[in-house]
Amino acid sequence: QVQLVQSGAEVKKPGASLKVSCNPSGYTFTDYWIHWIRQAPGQGLEWLGWIDPKSGDTFYAQKFQGWVTMTRDTSISSTSLELRNLKSGDTAVYYCARGVVTPGVTGSRRLDYWGQGTPVTVSS
Amino acid sequence: DIQLTQSPSFLSASVGDRVTITCRASQGISNYLAWYQQRPGKAPELLIYGASTLHVGVPSRFSGSGSGTEFTLTISALQPEDFATYYCQQLNSFPRTFGQGTKVEFK
Repeated sequence: QVQLVQSGAEVKKPGASLKVSCNPSGYTFTDYWIHWIRQAPGQGLEWLGWIDPKSGDTFYAQKFQGWVTMTRDTSISSTSLELRNLKSGDTAVYYCARGVVTPGVTGSRRLDYWGQGTPVTVSS
Repeated sequence: DIQLTQSPSFLSASVGDRVTITCRASQGISNYLAWYQQRPGKAPELLIYGASTLHVGVPSRFSGSGSGTEFTLTISALQPEDFATYYCQQLNSFPRTFGQGTKVEFK
């Protein structure tokens, strides 16, 4: 079955960098984009961007451009989210999710499977 | 960016109640709308995409409708496991924005 397994919880100091990994299984890794979403404590969902595991192409929400990088390693079927110069406001649970579209069906884009989430705490 | 506004933000209901949540988009998004359920401490789970298509394995008491700028999620008869927070997401354009969420609480 499809699973996205993420790396474990992290505690970082302000100004540090962080890398969160997402390891999909149960399907062909290069067939589907991976999206990254975060959720601050008690808050809603915020979309960061996507990566195409086949090409390595990425797209970041404007807010995250310049300090977020998404990468993939096809040899181990893994994707990563790197955040630099962390601030306390980056404290959140970070999720990866698989992006799917049904060919020829209008409106069929969705995030159908999600990782379990990686809690990140930024505190001095 | 497309803004999504959900109403209500909080909803108190009882088991067996019919529940309706609305999601309004700041501009037309055709039917590029998905609904997710999030239980406390868990990752969101896909319920509906294309505004009205049920994801595999989702109970038929869930339904979605709408197109353009106004969408609804309906739970026909609330079950104990349905007490959760629900989010809509537009997938028409980037960034892929979410609504602020609707928390369904036990009355």
